Amino acid sequence: EADIYQTPRYLVIGTGKKITLECSQTMGHDKMYWYQQDPGMELHLIHYSYGVNSTEKGDLSSESTVSRIRTEHFPLTLESARPSHTSQYLCASRRDSSYEQYFGPGTRLTVT
Amino acid sequence: ILNVEQSPQSLHVQEGDSTNFTCSFPSSNFYALHWYRWETAKSPEALFVMTLNGDEKKKGRISATLNTKEGYSYLYIKGSQPEDSATYLCAFLSGGYNKLIFGAGTRLAVHP
Repeated sequence: EADIYQTPRYLVIGTGKKITLECSQTMGHDKMYWYQQDPGMELHLIHYSYGVNSTEKGDLSSESTVSRIRTEHFPLTLESARPSHTSQYLCASRRDSSYEQYFGPGTRLTVT
Repeated sequence: ILNVEQSPQSLHVQEGDSTNFTCSFPSSNFYALHWYRWETAKSPEALFVMTLNGDEKKKGRISATLNTKEGYSYLYIKGSQPEDSATYLCAFLSGGYNKLIFGAGTRLAVHP
């Protein structure tokens, strides 16, 4: 079983609030990813990191930001939540020697 | 634009039925094809990573084949059980693009 954790699992929040979705892994993986998924749709990459102090935007434009100050921690922040941010957010990581990704259980975000 | 298509979108079968679904991906610049199994409220879990044309992988009652020349992979489940109910995701890795491109998944429901 993969050691990658996400909190909270579910979040309902009002428009305009600042939120941070947490992602941590204990496997020592350098590479970490954030995906966004709307119901019935593909997972879309929104951010990735290849190591500490490295962050890049993914294919899907997102108003969220990420940081990577420690190897094990890759939080995602929305400064001002909007209903259009309602979605599921999945965090993943992988080791350098393999493209297999290990996923967290996801955060289901609802912005009212 | 790299696109991964999965069919069918959803599938309902009876316990004991065998079933299969398809993943179509670009046939050029292939590097790897991943299959993931995603149960509700859990993390997506890697089933197979396939890299060679003609690859066949097997894990218990689940197997997968790969045709990189025509750009498709099949996932087979023999004698489906209710615990096989999940969304099955495939993801394509191109040699020129270092990140996974996911399909929308096939949602399988196995009824007792």
